[in-house]
Amino acid sequence: DARVTQTPRHKVTEMGQEVTMRCQPILGHNTVFWYRQTMMQGLELLAYFRNRAPLDDSGMPKDRFSAEMPDATLATLKIQPSEPRDSAVYFCASGWNGGGVYTQYFGPGTRLTVL
Amino acid sequence: GQQVMQIPQYQHVQEGEDFTTYCNSSTTLSNIQWYKQRPGGHPVFLIQLVKSGEVKKQKRLTFQFGEAKKNSSLHITATQTTDVGTYFCAGRGGNQFYFGTGTSLTVIP
Repeated sequence: DARVTQTPRHKVTEMGQEVTMRCQPILGHNTVFWYRQTMMQGLELLAYFRNRAPLDDSGMPKDRFSAEMPDATLATLKIQPSEPRDSAVYFCASGWNGGGVYTQYFGPGTRLTVL
Repeated sequence: GQQVMQIPQYQHVQEGEDFTTYCNSSTTLSNIQWYKQRPGGHPVFLIQLVKSGEVKKQKRLTFQFGEAKKNSSLHITATQTTDVGTYFCAGRGGNQFYFGTGTSLTVIP
């Protein structure tokens, strides 16, 4: 049963530290999404890639966040420097863009706490 | 900017009662998807609607896409405790993706 995997599942860090979250999309999927979920803001789309190329990262704070896909099996989301307001659950989702369909399969998420 | 709002934000129902959540977009969507997120879990894809006025059913769940493709609804008949969770709609407008604000459903046994 193919699944999206995310590491780490939990991360506690101090303000100012760099945080790197990793995602392994489902093999064969050509689209990867990064979301952030908080109680206050709900699910926010940070960035998404198709065929490893970034298509939209307008939801991402550019000064501290960066998202990359070094290869088709790995997507990364980095925060440097981290701040307490970055505390949230970060989800990665992958999907196949076929005929404009973007069904998304979510990973289990990384719960980030910045102290 | 583009917004996808869902109402109600919270709903408590007695087991066996029906439940409906509504999704409204400020602009036309090319398609609408519905996801369910259990407490502590991640969103799980339920269904996608593409055509104007489309209606799809999955057992006790009925999904509708509005004629103007700006709204959608999810109706659950005779809720069960396994229906507990937050239901999100998600739509695509152009190259943008928007998740609704979600409706949190509590089912009282």
